[in-house]
Amino acid sequence: AQKITQTQPGMFVQEKEAVTLDCTYDTSDPSYGLFWYKQPSSGEMIFLIYQGSYDQQNATEGRYSLNFQKARKSANLVISASQLGDSAMYFCAMREGKDYFGNQFYFGTGTSLTVIP
Amino acid sequence: SQTIHQWPATLVQPVGSPLSLECTVEGTSNPNLYWYRQAAGRGLQLLFYSVGIGQISSEVPQNLSASRPQDRQFILSSKKLLLSDSGFYLCAWTKRTDQEAFFGQGTRLTVV
Repeated sequence: AQKITQTQPGMFVQEKEAVTLDCTYDTSDPSYGLFWYKQPSSGEMIFLIYQGSYDQQNATEGRYSLNFQKARKSANLVISASQLGDSAMYFCAMREGKDYFGNQFYFGTGTSLTVIP
Repeated sequence: SQTIHQWPATLVQPVGSPLSLECTVEGTSNPNLYWYRQAAGRGLQLLFYSVGIGQISSEVPQNLSASRPQDRQFILSSKKLLLSDSGFYLCAWTKRTDQEAFFGQGTRLTVV
């Protein structure tokens, strides 16, 4: 089974509007971390936001917030007030386990976001 | 501060030729290291990860291999490249489980 599922291959949003990018995950480990990355056309991977499985509150970082619904195993990224520079690929990722040395870091297939002026 | 170096940035290689991509991390010790491949317009596929020197875990059977000869050095290799090996290869490191992975700039490999 896929560890991370992103069902939206492409999304369009009007500039200054909010957009939600979907992500569901699959794990039986009670301890895990969820991450979102942005990949512009240059290819670099830019870390956006992190949510721990034991965090009580949804993570927020500036215009980014993570809608964490643990029972549904979803970790949707919300971008408020979209800007043209937000056009990029967005990846959801998960890391399992509380072991300090960690293990695999799984990524979804990504969502291509286009912001329309 | 920690940095990650990955080279070369671009590479064009003929089918059947060998491959060696190198990744080094500075400013940290005993990191977890990862190699990912991204086909054009696709997601990131985890190829290998390593939690220590000489310790390599392979996620998918393939034409590639990885080695970690030093704590902060991770090498991706192939003896004979296939056309299907073309893609964007990313090296990454992380440490704590609650810490994001830090990526190199990537290597765009084209096998011709």
